[in-house]
Amino acid sequence: DSGVTQTPKHLITATGQRVTLRCSPRSGDLSVYWYQQSLDQGLQFLIQYYNGEERAKGNILERFSAQQFPDLHSELNLSSLELGDSALYFCASGGVGEKLFFGSGTQLSVL
Amino acid sequence: GDSVTQMEGPVTLSEEACLTINCTYTATGYPSLFWYVQYPGEGLQLLLKATKADDKGSNKGFEATYRKETTSFHLEKGSVQVSDSAVYFCALFDSARQLTFGSGTQLTVLP
Repeated sequence: DSGVTQTPKHLITATGQRVTLRCSPRSGDLSVYWYQQSLDQGLQFLIQYYNGEERAKGNILERFSAQQFPDLHSELNLSSLELGDSALYFCASGGVGEKLFFGSGTQLSVL
Repeated sequence: GDSVTQMEGPVTLSEEACLTINCTYTATGYPSLFWYVQYPGEGLQLLLKATKADDKGSNKGFEATYRKETTSFHLEKGSVQVSDSAVYFCALFDSARQLTFGSGTQLTVLP
């Protein structure tokens, strides 16, 4: 158990809809990272938050947004969903240093 | 930008066979290098790391040596087990302090 909790584990929705993925980092970790894993794109970094502030942005679409709350949990919001957004979305947390701890992911299926 | 290239999978081996998964990188400076493993239905876990040239990371019988001359970080194990079946990702901590992953290599070990 990595200590990182992601909910829900599975999400099935329709095109055009909006969903929210939730992540609770390991106790004490201030950084939260979001990654998207798909068969064609591999593991892509989306965005990082550190102690409530956006720290870095990767290949995140404008239809996607994220935030980190004062209790350090984070949410990834995906809107105007398309078939191609179907993927496994991982959250990871980190503290001091470079080691990241990953949650078990949210499998999003857009039908 | 910084990038990681992994050998294409999938790789299928018999139990007790030797394993090598190739990984090369392109980066400015000397990034820290990592191997992560993803077991079925789980998130990524750190397998081993090396932070400078000639460092050898090791864990659970797996080893990888940071080779600056060849910009490589190949993963090796002398005798694989069925329980090693997983997807293996090479990664580096890039100049923007983000983890950049390779495409992953699926390993299947047959009894």
